[in-house]
Amino acid sequence: EVQVVESGGGLVQPGRSLRLSCTASGFTFGDYAMSWFRQAPGKGLEWVSFIRSKDFGGTTDYAASVRGRFTISREDSKSIAYLQMNSLKTEDTAVYYCARGYSYGSVWGQGTLVTVSS
Amino acid sequence: EIVLTQSPGTLSLSPGERATLSCRASQSVSSSYLAWYQQKPGQAPRLLIYGASSRATGIPDRFSGSGSGTDFTLTISRLEPEDFAVYYCQQYGSSLRTFGQGTKVEIK
Repeated sequence: EVQVVESGGGLVQPGRSLRLSCTASGFTFGDYAMSWFRQAPGKGLEWVSFIRSKDFGGTTDYAASVRGRFTISREDSKSIAYLQMNSLKTEDTAVYYCARGYSYGSVWGQGTLVTVSS
Repeated sequence: EIVLTQSPGTLSLSPGERATLSCRASQSVSSSYLAWYQQKPGQAPRLLIYGASSRATGIPDRFSGSGSGTDFTLTISRLEPEDFAVYYCQQYGSSLRTFGQGTKVEIK
């Protein structure tokens, strides 16, 4: 079964850091781009970042709201994508979803909740 | 940044009825790079449509997408009980992907 599973969420104070993981299975991870999205409580969806496959240079991009604070990376040997989140703000509070794909998310995980609060 | 505006905000319909959801872009979406998702409470989004009109794997044919340029439509030909949910459009014609604010399809 093709699936992705997020982990690493939790409660963190403003200004601190957190790293999310996205573990994939059921497909050749290295062949695919991966993306992160988020959804604040009661709000709509927001794209956060993507990372392309090594065949496409592993290029990355970020939403303006997180650029310079968040870093996406991948470890193909372990089929894991990461989202390193630094200098967290209260407005980063959301469910973070990992999805397969560069343009749109074709396979989504169930999400991991990140709460930024003092 | 391409802004997507979905209408209506809420659509109240009965099972068996036809649903027509609109997504309008602030500028032309290149190559019809537009996707639609369905999201139910407490669940992750599910991809329905990509490329404005191509159904994703396993999506019933009562779901169809159309449009180009700045105007896109998701149509559900006959609503089933499991179709009552929130629907989002998303453009990927720009490197900075953006979503519409969503349309809730509720039972009348």
